[in-house]
Amino acid sequence: GAGVSQSPSNKVTEKGKDVELRCDPISGHTALYWYRQSLGQGLEFLIYFQGNSAPDKSGLPSDRFSAERTGGSVSTLTIQRTQQEDSAVYLCASSLAPRGGQETQYFGPGTRLLVL
Amino acid sequence: EDQVTQSPEALRLQEGESSSLNCSYTVSGLRGLFWYRQDPGKGPEFLFTLYSAGEEKEKERLKATLTKKESFLHITAPKPEDSATYLCAVRNQAGTALIFGKGTTLSVSS
Repeated sequence: GAGVSQSPSNKVTEKGKDVELRCDPISGHTALYWYRQSLGQGLEFLIYFQGNSAPDKSGLPSDRFSAERTGGSVSTLTIQRTQQEDSAVYLCASSLAPRGGQETQYFGPGTRLLVL
Repeated sequence: EDQVTQSPEALRLQEGESSSLNCSYTVSGLRGLFWYRQDPGKGPEFLFTLYSAGEEKEKERLKATLTKKESFLHITAPKPEDSATYLCAVRNQAGTALIFGKGTTLSVSS
């Protein structure tokens, strides 16, 4: 079956521009996660969606970052007024509804963002 | 504070030379320890989940073990295709995210 898909695969933008990154989770997965992977750093949690519950936004680094999930499926991560330190790989993952926190997260291929 | 530390940062092996990767963790109430493999330019690929001390899981040349403070990923007779970055993670207290270590980059030469 199809895995998690992300688009675009690569994005080059100029400092100060807004960017939108898209994630299509695995069909039937109600939980969706965004992470960021910077050069030399581990994966850093950004935001979590589960069904119709309020998202956990505790990992968003600044108010320039926002995300939404429409219809419980596709998600868009938006970065406003991009800065050079936003350059990283943005990874999306999805899982079945957490029950006791034991659900496996499956990752997409990522979007490589470069801010010039 | 929940934390994951992996060692070594990098490991070079000859084909057939077995070794182990370490993942030390600090978490309030373990809700699963996860191992992923990541190839360059790709997203992490799930390998194993371990839930309780003493648990072991195997897949081909890989075997993961868990104690109360750390996990090991044992690689037996590795092949060049095992070259990748191996990531360890634990679930955070809220159960909403994984906390990752920085990974161990394994290079296996023939």
